[in-house]
Amino acid sequence: QKEVEQNSGPLSVPEGAIASLNCTYSDRGSQSFFWYRQYSGKSPELIMSIYSNGDKEDGRFTAQLNKASQYVSLLIRDSQPSDSATYLCAVNIRNYGGSQGNLIFGKGTKLSVKP
Amino acid sequence: KAGVTQTPRYLIKTRGQQVTLSCSPISGHRSVSWYQQTPGQGLQFLFEYFSETQRNKGNFPGRFSGRQFSNSRSEMNVSTLELGDSALYLCASSSDETQYFGPGTRLLVL
Repeated sequence: QKEVEQNSGPLSVPEGAIASLNCTYSDRGSQSFFWYRQYSGKSPELIMSIYSNGDKEDGRFTAQLNKASQYVSLLIRDSQPSDSATYLCAVNIRNYGGSQGNLIFGKGTKLSVKP
Repeated sequence: KAGVTQTPRYLIKTRGQQVTLSCSPISGHRSVSWYQQTPGQGLQFLFEYFSETQRNKGNFPGRFSGRQFSNSRSEMNVSTLELGDSALYLCASSSDETQYFGPGTRLLVL
């Protein structure tokens, strides 16, 4: 059973702090990793994708990937109340035959940024 | 570019009925994936269509089916609805491995 694990939270941080969200995955062959943000009652919105070991930065967001440890994280710098949402980690599970496969999602971490 | 659209946005059905949900992908995207989201199970993959063919399938019963048309629009059908089918059904389109979600259809089964 291929799995993606996240702490459910809630994770509460003060405004302006760094929020750190973590994710582990079981399929060592996974190649593509994504972070989505989902506000209550809305659909998931793509924040970041990462494919190579190391860090990838986009504005206040940094994704970190360590394939050896099967670990992905998302850092949010200068957290704002508008960042309060559930953050979903997704891993692309490749299927035989070279198809793109499908995304396996973690159950999400609920982040609350307090003013 | 217009985003992924889904219709209807809300639906109320009773047990035993069937339902059809529709998804129009982003222009140029040929892959459409369907997911079910519930508070207990999170986001679970239903199936993926590419060029009118089902390319991947999740672990759902045969009551859940889908199809894709030549213009890449997709429909999913759930027959003999059960209370446990109440969920947010999300469609995502992609041109590579990155998937973009539509607003979802919220289905309530009474």
